[in-house]
Amino acid sequence: EAGVAQSPRYKIIEKRQSVAFWCNPISGHATLYWYQQILGQGPKLLIQFQNNGVVDDSQLPKDRFSAERLKGVDSTLKIQPAKLEDSAVYLCASSSRRPGAVGNEQFFGPGTRLTVL
Amino acid sequence: LAKTTQPISMDSYEGQEVNITCSHNNIATNDYITWYQQFPSQGPRFIIQGYKTKVTNEVASLFIPADRKSSTLSLPRVSLSDTAVYYCLVGGLLMAGKLIFGQGTELSVKP
Repeated sequence: EAGVAQSPRYKIIEKRQSVAFWCNPISGHATLYWYQQILGQGPKLLIQFQNNGVVDDSQLPKDRFSAERLKGVDSTLKIQPAKLEDSAVYLCASSSRRPGAVGNEQFFGPGTRLTVL
Repeated sequence: LAKTTQPISMDSYEGQEVNITCSHNNIATNDYITWYQQFPSQGPRFIIQGYKTKVTNEVASLFIPADRKSSTLSLPRVSLSDTAVYYCLVGGLLMAGKLIFGQGTELSVKP
């Protein structure tokens, strides 16, 4: 079974530029998550989708971050404009159970390392 | 959401058993305890999950006392490849699938 795919793996941009990350979850997984992981910290949830609907985006900085999951499969996360403090690894994860179900194991992709100069 | 506290770092040697304890004094009745492992440059990976007593799988055991205010992840006979960050997470049905990661425990296994 193929895992969660993310691209690009690395991205370097200057502040105020825009950037987009792509995620392809495990086939059949209805729930998709985007996390931000700053160096030395645990991942922080940015947004959670159930199929193509948003379940939780309470920690998404909506003035500069946006995410979509058209057709309930692939997802993109965009930052516009980027700030220095956005330098982090952006992780995508997916799960097959409905949110809140016992044993809601999440499968993570390798992440995209963003450096903002 | 229950907050977790775990040691920032631990050292061990190959072949030893490693026990990482996590405190979660405010755990709720519906909450489960889940552990994830993260290697450098990779996303976290599910290790084990439990509600009470003891759970064992092919890679680890999870011990949960009766009061559930703490839990211990046990890794038998660690190898160099077990060097990673280990996260303890607490949550359940009310979390709607949300994972709240703390700082984790950085385990270093030496030869």
